[in-house]
Amino acid sequence: DGGITQSPKYLFRKEGQNVTLSCEQNLNHDAMYWYRQDPGQGLRLIYYSQIVNDFQKGDIAEGYSVSREKKESFPLTVTSAQKNPTAFYLCASSVQIGLAGVGEQFFGPGTRLTVL
Amino acid sequence: SQQGEEDPQALSIQEGENATMNCSYKTSINNLQWYRQNSGRGLVHLILIRSNEREKHSGRLRVTLDTSKKSSSLLITASRAADTASYFCATDAGDMRFGAGTRLTVKP
Repeated sequence: DGGITQSPKYLFRKEGQNVTLSCEQNLNHDAMYWYRQDPGQGLRLIYYSQIVNDFQKGDIAEGYSVSREKKESFPLTVTSAQKNPTAFYLCASSVQIGLAGVGEQFFGPGTRLTVL
Repeated sequence: SQQGEEDPQALSIQEGENATMNCSYKTSINNLQWYRQNSGRGLVHLILIRSNEREKHSGRLRVTLDTSKKSSSLLITASRAADTASYFCATDAGDMRFGAGTRLTVKP
């Protein structure tokens, strides 16, 4: 089955620790995204990547890092510099549709991160 | 920063009624998309409307786009209890930006 997967579903972290959230897709999409969602809120863009070995900061990149070494994978590291990391993290992928921009985004099931 | 702003923040209707949600945005866009999210889940794509389109239909969904007013609306006709979810608009202006969403409750 084609799709996008995230792991783990739930993650607990002690203050001061870095943690890495996994995101994998087998849809052959060029573009991948990381979003953060706080309770009752919309999605805020952390980082996105339109091609392998390249990525751009979104609106709230501070305290986060990413890599895009493979087309299929876009892991997100939440570092100890992120002051309030407890949130729901969503990964997505999409195709580019030429001049019409970004196509439909496919979302993973999300990772709920809690800092203890 | 949020690009899209949905209105209303919450909407409660009876089954069979129509639900209308609005989205306003600030910059020029390539396209606008609507998504649905059930509680605690990932988002599901509903419909994409390009900047040169004015209206689009998909089943019980009707989306309009007015680029001169920088606004869009999502109409769900003949709503069902299963339509209860949060609905988000997302704008593509080189990257994707989501609004805060409308929480729709459809009462049986």
